[in-house]
Amino acid sequence: AQKITQTQPGMFVQEKEAVTLDCTYDTSDPSYGLFWYKQPSSGEMIFLIYQGSYDQQNATEGRYSLNFQKARKSANLVISASQLGDSAMYFCAMRERDSTSGTYKYIFGTGTRLKVLA
Amino acid sequence: DSGVTQTPKHLITATGQRVTLRCSPRSGDLSVYWYQQSLDQGLQFLIQYYNGEERAKGNILERFSAQQFPDLHSELNLSSLELGDSALYFCASSVQGGTTEAFFGQGTRLTVV
Repeated sequence: AQKITQTQPGMFVQEKEAVTLDCTYDTSDPSYGLFWYKQPSSGEMIFLIYQGSYDQQNATEGRYSLNFQKARKSANLVISASQLGDSAMYFCAMRERDSTSGTYKYIFGTGTRLKVLA
Repeated sequence: DSGVTQTPKHLITATGQRVTLRCSPRSGDLSVYWYQQSLDQGLQFLIQYYNGEERAKGNILERFSAQQFPDLHSELNLSSLELGDSALYFCASSVQGGTTEAFFGQGTRLTVV
């Protein structure tokens, strides 16, 4: 079973509009973390935002916010006031403790390619 | 700058050859992760090291191997290369415990011809 699911291969949004990128997850670790990364065409992975499983409030970082619905196991990324520079691939990731090794591992979804239209 | 350094940035080699990718983690990070990203694909976890020891293995082929040295830098060795091994290989590092993200290097783009 997929641990991280991103159901939107591609999304379009008009410049200055808001957009939501979906992410659902599955884990039995009670102390997990959820992340979003941006990968522009240049290839680097840029960390955007983090949400801990015990955090009561949704994380926000500038124009990025994470809509965390724990019971639904979803961690959607909301980008407000989209800019042309937001066009990129976006990956949802989860950090969970590996039951065998006891160390943390990071699992990534398949990504959503966002295109911002002028 | 994430603080994670990967070399080389680009590598072109022929089928059947062997290459070594190098990663220097952020200062103080004990965990190193290797990922493979094929064209327009997500990140496939290959292997994780913690303080010199292998801790977790993902979808890593037997032709691939890795190690982490006492100074914590890591190397990913790819041998008997095939066209399908062409990909972007990322190294990431993190501290263990706490609420931190994994910090990624710029990646090594490997092209097998």
